[in-house]
Amino acid sequence: AQKVTQAQTEISVVEKEDVTLDCVYETRDTTYYLFWYKQPPSGELVFLIRRNSFDEQNEISGRYSWNFQKSTSSFNFTITASQVVDSAVYFCALSETEYGNKLVFGAGTILRVKS
Amino acid sequence: GAGVSQSPRYKVAKRGQDVALRCDPISGHVSLFWYQQALGQGPEFLTYFQNEAQLDKSGLPSDRFFAERPEGSVSTLKIQRTQQEDSAVYLCASSLQSYTGELFFGEGSRLTVL
Repeated sequence: AQKVTQAQTEISVVEKEDVTLDCVYETRDTTYYLFWYKQPPSGELVFLIRRNSFDEQNEISGRYSWNFQKSTSSFNFTITASQVVDSAVYFCALSETEYGNKLVFGAGTILRVKS
Repeated sequence: GAGVSQSPRYKVAKRGQDVALRCDPISGHVSLFWYQQALGQGPEFLTYFQNEAQLDKSGLPSDRFFAERPEGSVSTLKIQRTQQEDSAVYLCASSLQSYTGELFFGEGSRLTVL
């Protein structure tokens, strides 16, 4: 069975600090997809990134970067120079490949950025 | 509207009542998903539609839960004889195709069963 573990329940940082959110996954599939979603207080999940299991290149998008390591089954997310607007719940998710969008989510990490 | 729209945003039901939650996906989106999110947890898959066909309902927790999408656009999630454990946020998501990887979520319907 597929499983996603986000061990950090809640993280608090001061603005401009860097912060890394951890994600560890389990799957028996050789082809799979990993995602990060952001859930602000409004409740709507916002897509951040999708990676497939064959692409281990790290990705950077502005202040966001992702580190995918198949050897440790991890897909960590780093926010550089955090801002108050980054405060939200962040979810890591894994998809079953039969339906690429049927996601198995982790429990989420609450990120609080204080000014 | 441009996004996924869900109604009602908040619903309070007495135990034993039936409820219906509506989802208006983004126009033209083929795939539609329902997820259930309990307080402090990640969303959990309930069911999946491709157009009007319900291809997967393996996540529906009991036969009190029923979902439909009769014309391949608007979907309704119905919960019969609600129980307290049904209290959760019900999220609807849609995508253009099933493999695009990007789901667009609505803001959810928060159900509280007293």
